[in-house]
Amino acid sequence: DAGVTQSPTHLIKTRGQQVTLRCSPKSGHDTVSWYQQALGQGPQFIFQYYEEEERQRGNFPDRFSGHQFPNYSSELNVNALLLGDSALYLCASSLAAGSGLYEQYFGPGTRLTVT
Amino acid sequence: AQSVTQPDIHITVSEGASLELRCNYSYGATPYLFWYVQSPGQGLQLLLKYFSGDTLVQGIKGFEAEFKRSQSSFNLRKPSVHWSDAAEYFCAVQGGSEKLVFGKGTKLTVNP
Repeated sequence: DAGVTQSPTHLIKTRGQQVTLRCSPKSGHDTVSWYQQALGQGPQFIFQYYEEEERQRGNFPDRFSGHQFPNYSSELNVNALLLGDSALYLCASSLAAGSGLYEQYFGPGTRLTVT
Repeated sequence: AQSVTQPDIHITVSEGASLELRCNYSYGATPYLFWYVQSPGQGLQLLLKYFSGDTLVQGIKGFEAEFKRSQSSFNLRKPSVHWSDAAEYFCAVQGGSEKLVFGKGTKLTVNP
């Protein structure tokens, strides 16, 4: 049973560029959440996708956007990169509310460095 | 709004010693509570969770946690620490909105 996978593992970008990160959820899961973890901090919630729609969003600017595909995989896009966007980006998958199972399972993350 | 406080930034214990990591949460109703572990450069692994019922929950790798509503706490414990337990530990709360709110983490160092 494959867990949550993310690609790429590492990424280096320049200020002002755009980046796309990818996530495949755990088999059987239909909900994907994205988190940003700055160095020395706990993960911060960016947004969550279910049924190809953004269901809820954390306190992140519109430069952060996402997408969910019919196969439940997801992308996180960040435009106009800033130095402060350097972080570990974590994807988590889960079953939708109402399933009775609320655990979120995390992928290994994508380390983004903005120079 | 939900919040989580992990008062200890860094804890050092000797191998074989007992461990307790503290977690206090703020949430108006009974939350769902989680402990995750993160090894350097890795993602988060779920150690255990509390949804309802028995306030003492068992997790993987010999960890347990106790939910105390009166103290708004969910402390993580292990009776005997192994060198492989060295990692960063995160407590998280999930309220009605389903997003996880994490504490800042506690880094555990294990001395031989």
